[in-house]
Amino acid sequence: QPVLTQSPSASAFLGSSVRLTCTLSGRHDTYIIAWHQQQPGKAPRYLMEIGSSGNYHTGSGLPDRFSGSSSGAARYLTISNLQSEDEAEYFCETWDSKTWVFGGGTKLTVL
Amino acid sequence: QITLQESGPKLVKPTQTLTLTCSFSGFSLTTTGERVGWIRQPPGKALEWLALVYWDDDERYSPSLRSRLTIAKDTSKNQVVLTMTNMDPVDTATYFCAHRNRNNGGLSWGQGVLVTVSS
Repeated sequence: QPVLTQSPSASAFLGSSVRLTCTLSGRHDTYIIAWHQQQPGKAPRYLMEIGSSGNYHTGSGLPDRFSGSSSGAARYLTISNLQSEDEAEYFCETWDSKTWVFGGGTKLTVL
Repeated sequence: QITLQESGPKLVKPTQTLTLTCSFSGFSLTTTGERVGWIRQPPGKALEWLALVYWDDDERYSPSLRSRLTIAKDTSKNQVVLTMTNMDPVDTATYFCAHRNRNNGGLSWGQGVLVTVSS
């Protein structure tokens, strides 16, 4: 089954931009992935899915400060004009007919 | 609008069997392509997928927990039930159910239920 790798932490200043990375294991580098945001004490929230071409589809009501892209096995989530409410854990996820797989999560701190 | 709500005991003893119910609205598990999964998250840790049930009764399980899990759907009640046997303190976690959109990867999450395993 696929494996998703994320850096444990990231930080950026209020109003700046940050790019989070999720890397698919080699044999699965064409998989679509989804990004989920989890604010402290809350359930995860689906943000978007990103394909290998870099095309992405966002969830309902997501601000356009959030965007996605791809390069090879890497799938990116870019957040522009960082706000304090963006401080959260971000998980990537992939799936097929047999399994759902989550990455270890990246804790984003807004400075 | 799709909503999901988990329910079940908040405290179970070691070796007991946990039964959780996911009650949902906004879709039907009789519709081709629909599926509901269970995911858990130990305190301070990452999300872990547990099990998945499809509209056609196909069931899938995490390989590491397969022997302890059973997932079942009740289409008349719009519910999905997860049972986990032989509970251990390491199974202490928030348990979420989620629905995956038939047409894209969109996942709708329940709010989760924290289950503590302790004697």
